[in-house]
Amino acid sequence: NAGVTQTPKFQVLKTGQSMTLQCAQDMNHNSMYWYRQDPGMGLRLIYYSASEGTTDKGEVPNGYNVSRLNKREFSLRLESAAPSQTSVYFCATRPLAGGPYEQYFGPGTRLTVT
Amino acid sequence: DQQVKQNSPSLSVQEGRISILNCDYTNSMFDYFLWYKKYPAEGPTFLISISSIKDKNEDGRFTVFLNKSAKHLSLHIVPSQPGDSAVYFCAASLGNQFYFGTGTSLTVIP
Repeated sequence: NAGVTQTPKFQVLKTGQSMTLQCAQDMNHNSMYWYRQDPGMGLRLIYYSASEGTTDKGEVPNGYNVSRLNKREFSLRLESAAPSQTSVYFCATRPLAGGPYEQYFGPGTRLTVT
Repeated sequence: DQQVKQNSPSLSVQEGRISILNCDYTNSMFDYFLWYKKYPAEGPTFLISISSIKDKNEDGRFTVFLNKSAKHLSLHIVPSQPGDSAVYFCAASLGNQFYFGTGTSLTVIP
């Protein structure tokens, strides 16, 4: 039972390159989230998927796209990376959208854009 | 504008004493409040939560207090242990979305 897994763990990109961050969960949770964590900023929501087949923007969606591939997988794509996207990215899951349910986080992907 | 704020970036406490971490929020519509603990190079892990209709929730050494009139919550850890040294984030939920504070780094001194 791996919980929430994220790949890759580390990535260095040049400005303008594209990449996809992968997130998979084996907890049969309906909701999945992507956050970024920057120094002094806490975690900020990029996109979320309340259930399979739906996605919605969070606080900081610009420069990102997401795909809820199936119930288990939620990917985050950077089409043209910028240095401002240097951050640690966390995927999280939740049993259901709304209600008294906490989120479960993956270990994170550390991305550097040069 | 930050809807959830943790104004103390760091806190040091002696082992065995009480640790009190504070959090303020601005949106009175938040329905749940949560505390997460984070170690370096790991994702946050859930610690304790409280519904907006309650004013206290306790789980072992951890107690969360909610003061809705002041839009303030606090996490008490008693007694503090060296393994509690980590960054603590408070978060507030509004339906599907969560809003996180900037974190407080707690150091428990043996």
